[in-house]
Amino acid sequence: AQSVTQLGSHVSVSEGALVLLRCNYSSSVPPYLFWYVQYPNQGLQLLLKYTSAATLVKGINGFEAEFKKSETSFHLTKPSAHMSDAAEYFCAVRLNTGNQFYFGTGTSLTVIP
Amino acid sequence: EAQVTQNPRYLITVTGKKLTVTCSQNMNHEYMSWYRQDPGLGLRQIYYSMNVEVTDKGDVPEGYKVSRKEKRNFPLILESPSPNQTSLYFCASSRWGGSYEQYFGPGTRLTVT
Repeated sequence: AQSVTQLGSHVSVSEGALVLLRCNYSSSVPPYLFWYVQYPNQGLQLLLKYTSAATLVKGINGFEAEFKKSETSFHLTKPSAHMSDAAEYFCAVRLNTGNQFYFGTGTSLTVIP
Repeated sequence: EAQVTQNPRYLITVTGKKLTVTCSQNMNHEYMSWYRQDPGLGLRQIYYSMNVEVTDKGDVPEGYKVSRKEKRNFPLILESPSPNQTSLYFCASSRWGGSYEQYFGPGTRLTVT
């Protein structure tokens, strides 16, 4: 069973527009949730993480994500896209059972000037 | 500077020629892991290690070996590489406990011909 699903492998937004990248997880117990960003030819960098302290999580570069247990979602948003936001974004989970991490298939964000 | 290093960054080899990709972290992290990244598939966990001499399979362990003799090092070994192991490989480390945030290396692009 897929532990984490990212809807939309490619998302395009205009510069200054809202960014919304979707992530849903499948777990009966809220897991640890992460968003990572990967710029071209680089490793992954943590954007933000959910660890049950607060449902609205603020990360770096103006990104934030809201944990919604009823929807098993952890969507990533940014109010105003910047050209430098163009990258690949990955949602990841660490379930409360076991010691593995599971990544989504990624969403490539294009920002149109 | 806290970091995860991988070597080599790029490697082209031939089928069947044993190779090792090294990974080292300087953060005294207990948990280390290897992932492969393939287009459309995201990151998939190959092996992980909870601590020295403790390793376990991830989702795609076939054709790979690992060892954890020292806390800082976690090499990935391909004893008989095949073309389907052509991929981008990432090593990551994290504290075990707390937020489970992973720190990633810069990646190793492997081509097996």
